[in-house]
Amino acid sequence: NAGVMQNPRHLVRRRGQEARLRCSPMKGHSHVYWYRQLPEEGLKFMVYLQKENIIDESGMPKERFSAEFPKEGPSILRIQQVVRGDSAAYFCASSPPGNTGRETQYFGPGTRLLVL
Amino acid sequence: AQKITQTQPGMFVQEKEAVTLDCTYDTSDPSYGLFWYKQPSSGEMIFLIYQGSYDQQNATEGRYSLNFQKARKSANLVISASQLGDSAMYFCAMRLNRDDKIIFGKGTRLHILP
Repeated sequence: NAGVMQNPRHLVRRRGQEARLRCSPMKGHSHVYWYRQLPEEGLKFMVYLQKENIIDESGMPKERFSAEFPKEGPSILRIQQVVRGDSAAYFCASSPPGNTGRETQYFGPGTRLLVL
Repeated sequence: AQKITQTQPGMFVQEKEAVTLDCTYDTSDPSYGLFWYKQPSSGEMIFLIYQGSYDQQNATEGRYSLNFQKARKSANLVISASQLGDSAMYFCAMRLNRDDKIIFGKGTRLHILP
């Protein structure tokens, strides 16, 4: 049973370009979460999605960032017009369906974004 | 607002000794879960252990155990018989049962010495 897959693992962009980060959840998981980790910091929640729905985007910056989880295919985190401050590790996590609160989120390997 | 505090930025421990990583949390919500994750130098986040706020017993997973003291709002991770491969960053985290996001502490960097 493959874990959470993220690609690319490393991404270099120049200021002003777009970054697209992909995440395929674990088999059987329908909940996807995106987190951002700045250097020497813990992870910070960005957005929670289920298939075709954004459930909670309270951690997403208001501009330039968007996320989707289409009916088919991976979840995408999109950053438009990247700036140096967007350089970070972006982690995707998935969890199985359910709402008890005990569902563990399993993380992918992360995408390291470097903006030059 | 919920908060996780890890007061030890770094620790050095001799191999084979037991290690306790401190974690305190702050919430007024009675229903929550506590997590520990390990992040080795390769960068991935590895789930280690979970404790629910209503669980009567402390969680254990192999060499990992969670010392849950609800009244003190502490959730320390204990690693028994430490190994060189335990060297990593360790994050304590919390999630309210009614919520979806996990809130992370700043982490403790553990170094196991041979």
